[in-house]
Amino acid sequence: GENVEQHPSTLSVQEGDSAVIKCTYSDSASNYFPWYKQELGKGPQLIIDIRSNVGEKKDQRIAVTLNKTAKHFSLHITETQPEDSAVYFCAARTPRAAGNKLTFGGGTRVLVKP
Amino acid sequence: DTAVSQTPKYLVTQMGNDKSIKCEQNLGHDTMYWYKQDSKKFLKIMFSYNNKELIINETVPNRFSPKSPDKAHLNLHINSLELGDSAVYFCASSLRSRGYEQYFGPGTRLTVT
Repeated sequence: GENVEQHPSTLSVQEGDSAVIKCTYSDSASNYFPWYKQELGKGPQLIIDIRSNVGEKKDQRIAVTLNKTAKHFSLHITETQPEDSAVYFCAARTPRAAGNKLTFGGGTRVLVKP
Repeated sequence: DTAVSQTPKYLVTQMGNDKSIKCEQNLGHDTMYWYKQDSKKFLKIMFSYNNKELIINETVPNRFSPKSPDKAHLNLHINSLELGDSAVYFCASSLRSRGYEQYFGPGTRLTVT
């Protein structure tokens, strides 16, 4: 089955700096890659996603890039703010899996220091 | 206004008991999921239902039984609770035609003592 690895597990940045989280996946057939943000005591919230026919997608201060050849994708947060502090998860979906199953990475705890 | 809601938010119970967690979504979605998040924050899917039909059933003990009375509801019943069942359980939903986009509920923190 699909396996997703996420790095780093923790990331501390100064407010205003950029943060980058990287994920690799194992199944070359995977075609959908969402990113979720989980704030303390809440459920994961979809913040951005990318499909395999696109190399990059941007939404205000967040962007995601996908390298299908290398089987990795990254989340970029620019001009970080304290409210960006949360746990971020990447995920991948492969058509080989039944029922829109998402495989999640292990999460990255991001701390933005004011 | 909550799109995916779960009850209860917290559940503390003793080993051996049976408990249920309820999930409801008002997004008009036809697919619903149960995830387990352990103490290390790792998220793993347990079950998925599409229009009341079970489509994903991961390697989960038989003590866990999902029930979907209609496509807006997916409940999780757990028999003979064990210490290792302590976790946060999340319900999620999606629309099959846009099945990739899953929306999560606020979670139920289950503590087994």
